[in-house]
Amino acid sequence: DVKVTQSSRYLVKRTGEKVFLECVQDMDHENMFWYRQDPGLGLRLIYFSYDVKMKEKGDIPEGYSVSREKKERFSLILESASTNQTSMYLCASSPPPHQETQYFGPGTRLLVL
Amino acid sequence: SQKIEQNSEALNIQEGKTATLTCNYTNYSPAYLQWYRQDPGRGPVFLLLIRENEKEKRKERLKVTFDTTLKQSLFHITASQPADSATYLCALGDSNSGYALNFGKGTSLLVTP
Repeated sequence: DVKVTQSSRYLVKRTGEKVFLECVQDMDHENMFWYRQDPGLGLRLIYFSYDVKMKEKGDIPEGYSVSREKKERFSLILESASTNQTSMYLCASSPPPHQETQYFGPGTRLLVL
Repeated sequence: SQKIEQNSEALNIQEGKTATLTCNYTNYSPAYLQWYRQDPGRGPVFLLLIRENEKEKRKERLKVTFDTTLKQSLFHITASQPADSATYLCALGDSNSGYALNFGKGTSLLVTP
């Protein structure tokens, strides 16, 4: 079974803090994705990566950065957390050869105070 | 701009009936369309993928249709069960965006005994 894990289920941070969200997949997937999900707005793509050290901006990259130093790990970084970044963050990966299909982690619910 | 619309109102149906969910899109020429299921507090789970040259796809009690002329997909769950209660998301992908997906906001389905 494909497994995508995220470092925390719940996080509470203060405004201005630097926040790291970690995602690990155990199936050698090439593509990895970070989304945020908000009520009424649905899933929105923040960043994605096709390979180690490669990254592409999604629809809402402002205020975020990412790191992919190893194939299995894709980190989302909030450089200076703000209250409008309070959200559910979901990581996904997609495997060859069916790279259209995404496997999601359980999500991290982040609250920025 | 690209737009994906799913029934915003929750769909309530009785156990045993067929649930039909709609996904409409505009300003988009997707190469494929997917349906995901999401339970509260969890990440989406892939259900079915249908490509632009396919009209219909089935998997057990699930059936998806894809009409590129109407720009619409219908997702059917036959003989619905209370365990089918969840939010269902449609997602579109095309060759221009690599393997990134655009998600609709989802439709909540409630199946009552």
